[in-house]
Amino acid sequence: AQSVTQPDIHITVSEGASLELRCNYSYGATPYLFWYVQSPGQGLQLLLKYFSGDTLVQGIKGFEAEFKRSQSSFNLRKPSVHWSDAAEYFCAVGGDTGFQKLVFGTGTRLLVSP
Amino acid sequence: DSGVTQTPKHLITATGQRVTLRCSPRSGDLSVYWYQQSLDQGLQFLIQYYNGEERAKGNILERFSAQQFPDLHSELNLSSLELGDSALYFCASSVRGQGEAFFGQGTRLTVV
Repeated sequence: AQSVTQPDIHITVSEGASLELRCNYSYGATPYLFWYVQSPGQGLQLLLKYFSGDTLVQGIKGFEAEFKRSQSSFNLRKPSVHWSDAAEYFCAVGGDTGFQKLVFGTGTRLLVSP
Repeated sequence: DSGVTQTPKHLITATGQRVTLRCSPRSGDLSVYWYQQSLDQGLQFLIQYYNGEERAKGNILERFSAQQFPDLHSELNLSSLELGDSALYFCASSVRGQGEAFFGQGTRLTVV
């Protein structure tokens, strides 16, 4: 069964500093990988996705993620964090065939300090 | 705005009652997913419909049911509500049966 692990529950980063959020997945076939962001009281917004091809994918709001099959990881990065990036971030995995739900990690709450 | 519309945004009801949550998917999306988000369980997949047919089921309680109508909107029915059913319920939609899903703003259900 597929699963996602986000080992960091909370992360605090200074504004302007770089960010890396970790995500490890378990999936028996070719995974589709996603990062979503949820601001308080809001729905989940898709930041970026990986289906195939280039293992470094660019998303919205200056985020990028790198797929490393050997490490079963899909870490999210941003070179310079803004206060508005404070939110909860979810990594998700899904399949590429048939009817597949997305399985989410437990999320990482990002706090941005001035 | 994801294009997925959920109503109502907030719902407060008493234990033992029944409620219906509604979801309109993005235009052109055939698949609808329902998720429950709570503090202790995180984001849990409940059920998926594709073009009117149930296609995948998660940890959905027997007291809960859903359907997708010919116009592709979906409803999630929650009955015999318990305090523990208080949560944020999300609907998401996708074009196909898999891949990226776009989420609505959610319905916050409070059972008192």
